[in-house]
Amino acid sequence: AQRVTQPEKLLSVFKGAPVELKCNYSYSGSPELFWYVQYSRQRLQLLLRHISRESIKGFTADLNKGETSFHLKKPFAQEEDSAMYYCALRVNTGFQKLVFGTGTRLLVSP
Amino acid sequence: DAGVIQSPRHEVTEMGQEVTLRCKPISGHNSLFWYRQTMMRGLELLIYFNNNVPIDDSGMPEDRFSAKMPNASFSTLKIQPSEPRDSAVYFCASSPETYEQYFGPGTRLTVT
Repeated sequence: AQRVTQPEKLLSVFKGAPVELKCNYSYSGSPELFWYVQYSRQRLQLLLRHISRESIKGFTADLNKGETSFHLKKPFAQEEDSAMYYCALRVNTGFQKLVFGTGTRLLVSP
Repeated sequence: DAGVIQSPRHEVTEMGQEVTLRCKPISGHNSLFWYRQTMMRGLELLIYFNNNVPIDDSGMPEDRFSAKMPNASFSTLKIQPSEPRDSAVYFCASSPETYEQYFGPGTRLTVT
C-alpha cells in the first residue's frame, strides 16, 4: 500500500537555525514526491517536486530511494517560513492522484 | 483568475442534517479532487474525477458521503446525514494534464 509518513506534527526552531522536515514513503512503484505548503490564511500550494531538483525559497529536498525518504531542508529558517508542510507521493495510476502525509507545522520564532 | 472556488467557506449544522459543499474548478482543468483535512489524519483524498467521471472513490468514508460532477465546471460533495465526527476542513482541488494540483480555500464544516 502507498503511504507517506511525517513523524513530526510540530517543529519549532529559531530564526536562522537549520530546518529539516522529515518525510518517509512506502510505495512499490517508481516514486514521484512533492512538498506542498499552506501559509496562514492562504491556500495549499506546491512548493517543490523531486524531479525538478530545484531550490524554492531556500528549500531543497532530495529523494533517497535507499532510505525511502524525501526530507525538506533549509539551512537558515526565516519567520515567513512558518506554515504547514505536507509531503505527497504521486501514485502512478495514470491520473494525478496524490497521497499526502499528515503534515508538519513549522514554527519559526524570532 | 479566481482559482478554485468553494462554497460555503464555513458551515455549521446540527447532527442529522444534510450538508452540501460546492466546488468550481479552474477552467480547462480535467481532474478534480475532494480532500478532508483533520488534525489527526492530515489530508485524506475522498474522491477524484477525471473528465467528470469518478475514478477512485475508495477514500469516501461511508455511504453517507456522495459526490457528483455533472459538468466540467461544477462538483458537489454531500453528507447525509451529517455527524459530529464529520467536522473538518474540506478541500477541493483541480489539475490540468500535469502533476500540480491547485487547491481551493476550503470549507470548514462544524457538525454539532
